[in-house]
Amino acid sequence: DVKVTQSSRYLVKRTGEKVFLECVQDMDHENMFWYRQDPGLGLRLIYFSYDVKMKEKGDIPEGYSVSREKKERFSLILESASTNQTSMYLCASSLATSGGFNEQFFGPGTRLTVL
Amino acid sequence: AQKVTQAQTEISVVEKEDVTLDCVYETRDTTYYLFWYKQPPSGELVFLIRRNSFDEQNEISGRYSWNFQKSTSSFNFTITASQVVDSAVYFCALRVNDYKLSFGAGTTVTVRA
Repeated sequence: DVKVTQSSRYLVKRTGEKVFLECVQDMDHENMFWYRQDPGLGLRLIYFSYDVKMKEKGDIPEGYSVSREKKERFSLILESASTNQTSMYLCASSLATSGGFNEQFFGPGTRLTVL
Repeated sequence: AQKVTQAQTEISVVEKEDVTLDCVYETRDTTYYLFWYKQPPSGELVFLIRRNSFDEQNEISGRYSWNFQKSTSSFNFTITASQVVDSAVYFCALRVNDYKLSFGAGTTVTVRA
């Protein structure tokens, strides 16, 4: 079974702190993704990576950065957390695909609260 | 631009009722892929089904069925004889390239015993 794990289920941080969210997948997937989920907005893509050290901006990259030093690990970084970044963060991975048919597998999510 | 609309925010039914979740998508691409995911209270999205734009066959899997109609740009999902375990948020999603999924806002289904 594909397993995507995220370092924390719940996280509380203060405004201005640097925050690291970690995601690890164990199925040798090439693609990894970070989404945030907010009520009424569904999931919105923050960043994705299609290979080690490669990254692409998604729909809402402002205020975030990412790091992918190893194939199995994809980190989301909030350089200076703000209250409007309070949200559920979901990591996903998928095989590299020609045709877009491969589904993404999701982790359990990290609910981040910024005070 | 791609867009997915799930007009129903919440649906509440009594156990054993059928429930249909609507999904309408917009894209100018002729090749695209549609997905449904379920998010139970535990939070992890679970993949349910995928369809490509060239395959308009409807599909049934147990109590779940999907109706894909390109003419109306819809990919609706029906749960037959709903059960309490079906209570979740359901997301419809669209992909037109190798990476990006565009999600709808989700429909929260509550099944009461």
